[in-house]
Amino acid sequence: RKEVEQDPGPFNVPEGATVAFNCTYSNSASQSFFWYRQDCRKEPKLLMSVYSSGNEDGRFTAQLNRASQYISLLIRDSKLSDSATYLCVGGGGFKTIFGAGTRLFVKA
Amino acid sequence: GAGVSQSPRYKVAKRGRDVALRCDSISGHVTLYWYRQTLGQGSEVLTYSQSDAQRDKSGRPSGRFSAERPERSVSTLKIQRTEQGDSAVYLCASSLVAGGPCEQFFGPGTRLTVL
Repeated sequence: RKEVEQDPGPFNVPEGATVAFNCTYSNSASQSFFWYRQDCRKEPKLLMSVYSSGNEDGRFTAQLNRASQYISLLIRDSKLSDSATYLCVGGGGFKTIFGAGTRLFVKA
Repeated sequence: GAGVSQSPRYKVAKRGRDVALRCDSISGHVTLYWYRQTLGQGSEVLTYSQSDAQRDKSGRPSGRFSAERPERSVSTLKIQRTEQGDSAVYLCASSLVAGGPCEQFFGPGTRLTVL
């Protein structure tokens, strides 16, 4: 079983829709979690950190549930420019584990 | 300001040959990571190093993969005796702090194709 697992998608949603991604992790020692966004043939870029108390940044909300060992990302009022692959990342110490990514296509 | 850069951007190598990939990180960043990214399998860390380490502390020890850090902001990933399965995008990332997953800044990657 992979340490960080995501539904690869793709998620095809119309503009304006709300879409949610979940990510599960198996290593309870993981301390920190992030969501990265990666556009096609580009490098990953940090989207937001994930805290147990939740983290909201504009249309994006991230949440961490340590008891169930999952991380979520909610995108409200999705835009065409949100189309990308969203990578769930977790780790502790020097160990950083990326999920395989969830692809999102937002259509007009 | 300048971000993380990598060279070459594309590399084609014959199976069995050694290759070296370069990463220039952001000045002042302490930790450098090398990742291998393949379609459908995501990214896995190959190795990382702190600036005070003469030799890399491999996150995923492998005899054919090694990294050198001749300067604080430069790292070279060396792959010996390349195999077709090594074909992937190799991403370099750096972070400001030592230890702990934190915001990492990625280079554009080197796409390696092993024939």
